[in-house]
Amino acid sequence: QSALTQPASVSGSPGQSITISCTGTSSDIGFYDLVSWYQQHPGTAPKLMIYQVTKRPSGLSNRFSGSKSGNTASLTISGLQAEDEADYYCASYAGSSTLVFGGGTKLTVL
Amino acid sequence: QVQLQESGPGLVKPSETLSLTCTVSGGSMSSYYWTWIRQPPGRGLEWIGYIYYSGSTTYNPALKSRVTISVDTSKNQFSLNLRSVTAADTAVYYCARDPWHFDLWGRGTMVTVSS
Repeated sequence: QSALTQPASVSGSPGQSITISCTGTSSDIGFYDLVSWYQQHPGTAPKLMIYQVTKRPSGLSNRFSGSKSGNTASLTISGLQAEDEADYYCASYAGSSTLVFGGGTKLTVL
Repeated sequence: QVQLQESGPGLVKPSETLSLTCTVSGGSMSSYYWTWIRQPPGRGLEWIGYIYYSGSTTYNPALKSRVTISVDTSKNQFSLNLRSVTAADTAVYYCARDPWHFDLWGRGTMVTVSS
């Protein structure tokens, strides 16, 4: 059970769109539609942004969207805003009732 | 509205057992899975395991030999015991709801392993 692979950092300017990738294997992301994404600001608990690959929790901005292709899931943030600057983590069901997280990506809004 | 709150010692000695409790307020534990997750300082999230309200459990294979998660629905609490701790177990420990995506989190509690 290895951690999912995310880029260490991404950046974008206000108003732009960015995409964070999350690469797993055919045993986790590639097999199950149980990918979720979390936003974490410093000193706070993570916040659910996307679940089951593409679904947004009620009340969450539609600037956040999720997708999956093969063994890679992606989180796209459109219309980037200063408050989007945070760490982002992906997670996937990995079979045998286990879950694995990605290493996290630091998003910087320039 | 349902809230989660972690509690327990902030300092544990090496080789001893780390014990934390998560109290669920504002709602019932029934029909939900309850999860522990941790985050070492400056690092990413690690899934520890979960317990169903009825008591069935699943653990991270990397921690399975040292972890026990239990539930007391009469107190609306579930607990984490991590045995034989080392400095590598120093982390913020979070409790959360549901097994595969976590819509509800506690604020987290920092546990330091040190003599």
